[in-house]
Amino acid sequence: GQNIDQPTEMTATEGAIVQINCTYQTSGFNGLFWYQQHAGEAPTFLSYNVLDGLEEKGRFSSFLSRSKGYSYLLLKELQMKDSASYLCAVGDSNYQLIWGAGTKLIIKP
Amino acid sequence: DTAVSQTPKYLVTQMGNDKSIKCEQNLGHDTMYWYKQDSKKFLKIMFSYNNKELIINETVPNRFSPKSPDKAHLNLHINSLELGDSAVYFCASSQDLPEWAQETQYFGPGTRLLVL
Repeated sequence: GQNIDQPTEMTATEGAIVQINCTYQTSGFNGLFWYQQHAGEAPTFLSYNVLDGLEEKGRFSSFLSRSKGYSYLLLKELQMKDSASYLCAVGDSNYQLIWGAGTKLIIKP
Repeated sequence: DTAVSQTPKYLVTQMGNDKSIKCEQNLGHDTMYWYKQDSKKFLKIMFSYNNKELIINETVPNRFSPKSPDKAHLNLHINSLELGDSAVYFCASSQDLPEWAQETQYFGPGTRLLVL
């Protein structure tokens, strides 16, 4: 079966750095997405990785290792507004997105 | 301007009723999607349309019927609503087909459906 695993919840301190991990087992691989979803709102796109390595975009970076079926989202200089769920999604062999359940990130002052 | 809009935002109804959710995107995208997000927060694809044609039809009960009158609209009609249909339904759109794997999807605000 197809599976995306992420931690259910993480807590971090304002101004700190946090890494949210995602491991996947899918039939085929056509890219990995990270989305942010604030409570009661729609998911919004953060990043896309299809090749191994690190993609940096401001305070957010995303890393991919296809051989390990592993990705992480790195958030630096955490702000209170970063409190949200972070969803990992993988495009499978049919180019359908398989979604993880998301990691709820709680930021404390 | 709202890029992807859905109506209604909240829908509370009795079991057995028939209801529709409407979705419109003004991004000029060719592909639209319907997702169901359950209480465990998993997003599951239900349907996808490209230029008014159905391209993804996951295993959902045939009580759910999507309709795309034009490429800017994708509506979802649900017959004989059941308790298990309670969830948040998200509409989304992308510029092109999912085969263009890096296509970012833009989501609507969601419709919170509660079946009593």
